[in-house]
This record gives sequence, C-alpha cells and structure tokens, in this order.
Amino acid sequence: AQTVTQSQPEMSVQEAETVTLSCTYDTSESDYYLFWYKQPPSRQMILVIRQEAYKQQNATENRFSVNFQKAAKSFSLKISDSQLGDAAMYFCAYRMEGGSEKLVFGKGTKLTVNP
Amino acid sequence: DAGVIQSPRHEVTEMGQEVTLRCKPISGHNSLFWYRQTMMRGLELLIYFNNNVPIDDSGMPEDRFSAKMPNASFSTLKIQPSEPRDSAVYFCASSLAGRGKQFFGPGTRLTVL
Repeated sequence: AQTVTQSQPEMSVQEAETVTLSCTYDTSESDYYLFWYKQPPSRQMILVIRQEAYKQQNATENRFSVNFQKAAKSFSLKISDSQLGDAAMYFCAYRMEGGSEKLVFGKGTKLTVNP
Repeated sequence: DAGVIQSPRHEVTEMGQEVTLRCKPISGHNSLFWYRQTMMRGLELLIYFNNNVPIDDSGMPEDRFSAKMPNASFSTLKIQPSEPRDSAVYFCASSLAGRGKQFFGPGTRLTVL
C-alpha cells in the first residue's frame, strides 16, 4: 500500500524568507501524481501544486515550487518570500496514474509565519 | 465558477441520531470523493464515485455509513446511528476523472454528543 510521510509536524519561517517542507512516499508504481494542499484555519483544502511523476521538470506556481526526486521518493515544497497568509497546515498527497483515484495524505506540517 | 458545495457546514447531533451530509460537485466533474479528517487518523478516503457509480468504498468504516450519488450533481453521506467517535470534519471533493486534480468543498464539521 502507498504511504506518505511528512516528518516535520511543525515549521516556522520569518516573513519574506524561504522555507522548505519535506515529504517522502512509498509506492511500487512508476506513474503517479503528487500534490501539496494547504489548509488554513478556515479548514478549506486548497490545491497548491501538482507534479506528474513522468515529468522530470519540477512544478512551480508563483512563489511555490517543488523538488521532486523520483528515485529517492522525495517531494519537498519550497515557499519563497513567505507571507503571513501562507500560515496553514500543508498536506502532501499521492495518487496513482490510472486505476484508483484515491488520494493518500500525509499527516501534515503546520507552518507558522512570523512577522 | 461555483466550487464544491457542502451542507450543512456544521452539524451537532446526539448519539443514535441519523445524520445526512450533502454535496454538490463542480459542474462537469465526473468523480466525487468523500474524505474524513480527524486528529488521530488524519485525512482518509471513505468512498468515491465515478459517473455516479461507487468505485472504492473500502474506507467506509462500518455498516452505519452509507453513501449515494443519485445523479451527477448530488451526493449524500449518511450515518445511522451516529456515535461520538464519528465526530470529524467530512470533506467532499470532485474531479475530472483521469486529470488528477481534486477540488475540495469547505467541509462539514460533525459533532456527535
């Protein structure tokens, strides 16, 4: 079974600085998707970024980028120029390509942004 | 565009009562998912539908839980009878099958006393 591990329960960053959140996963599949979701105190789950495993290029969305290391099964999220509004829980998630559409989530990392 | 719509946003009920959670997916999406979030277990899939047909219900905890999708624009998750351990946030999400991106509703916070 696929598993997703986020080893950092909590992280903090100064406003305008850069922070990296870690995620590792375990799968025997070769094709899959990886995601980062943000959950602010409002509890809304917001899709931040998606990576297809077959793409070597790392996905980027404005201040958010990933470092995808397929061989190491690692998928970290980098937030540049951190803003107060980035404070939230961040969840890493995995989904197979084809077959089940089920998302498997990590336990999350709580990010605090200090002014 | 309207996102995924869930109702109610909050539900407080007493043990033994029936609870029905409702979801309207994004128009045009053909996959619908029910997730549950608790402190102990995190986010876990309960069931998902593709083209209104249940595909994977392996996460449904027990017979007290049931889900239906009578048409492409509506789904329900029912708990009968409810128990205190069912207290959680229940999310509905939808996607275009095969595209990978799931969009979540605002969730229903359920409290069973």
